[in-house]
Amino acid sequence: EPEVTQTPSHQVTQMGQEVILRCVPISNHLYFYWYRQILGQKVEFLVSFYNNEISEKSEIFDDQFSVERPDGSNFTLKIRSTKLEDSAMYFCASSEFMNTEAFFGQGTRLTVV
Amino acid sequence: AQTVTQSQPEMSVQEAETVTLSCTYDTSESNYYLFWYKQPPSRQMILVIRQEAYKQQNATENRFSVNFQKAAKSFSLKISDSQLGDTAMYFCAFMKGETSGSRLTFGEGTQLTVNP
Repeated sequence: EPEVTQTPSHQVTQMGQEVILRCVPISNHLYFYWYRQILGQKVEFLVSFYNNEISEKSEIFDDQFSVERPDGSNFTLKIRSTKLEDSAMYFCASSEFMNTEAFFGQGTRLTVV
Repeated sequence: AQTVTQSQPEMSVQEAETVTLSCTYDTSESNYYLFWYKQPPSRQMILVIRQEAYKQQNATENRFSVNFQKAAKSFSLKISDSQLGDTAMYFCAFMKGETSGSRLTFGEGTQLTVNP
């Protein structure tokens, strides 16, 4: 069964460092998303991406964040200068069409120290 | 803006019994979609069931069914014949039915424990 794959599963970084979280969405899906979940809290939307551009972003997704689809398979989230409060589980998701169910990856746990 | 509320932070049920998880939402949209996602200890988000707001019939997936009350803005999940593997955090989620993006708005979650 096709699945969304995220790497790494866990990343530890020092405050102020740049991190790139990687995702391989399901191959025939057209819409891509990043969500985050701070420990013990609800899952929060960060950004959606379609046709090689951001289609929607939340207030969390400020200038420190960027997304890219560098080739036909990968979808990345970059955090330029990490803060302690960026520590969270980051989920990538993809959906085949608009308004269809999103399939989530297993998440990347980011720890900023 | 849409809000999703799950008022039960924790619930428990005995194996083989039935349990219902509550969810209410607030929106001014007329066209939207509702979902239940399951997050087991592995923390991966797994889709359980989906409901289109324009459909009056409640969605069903094997042991999982919903009670969708559009006027009351209520969307509860019923799990029948509970199994140990159903132990997980359950999130209710809302998606607007529009042409720009498909963001999900999640509730706070309900931790369900199935006891042997």
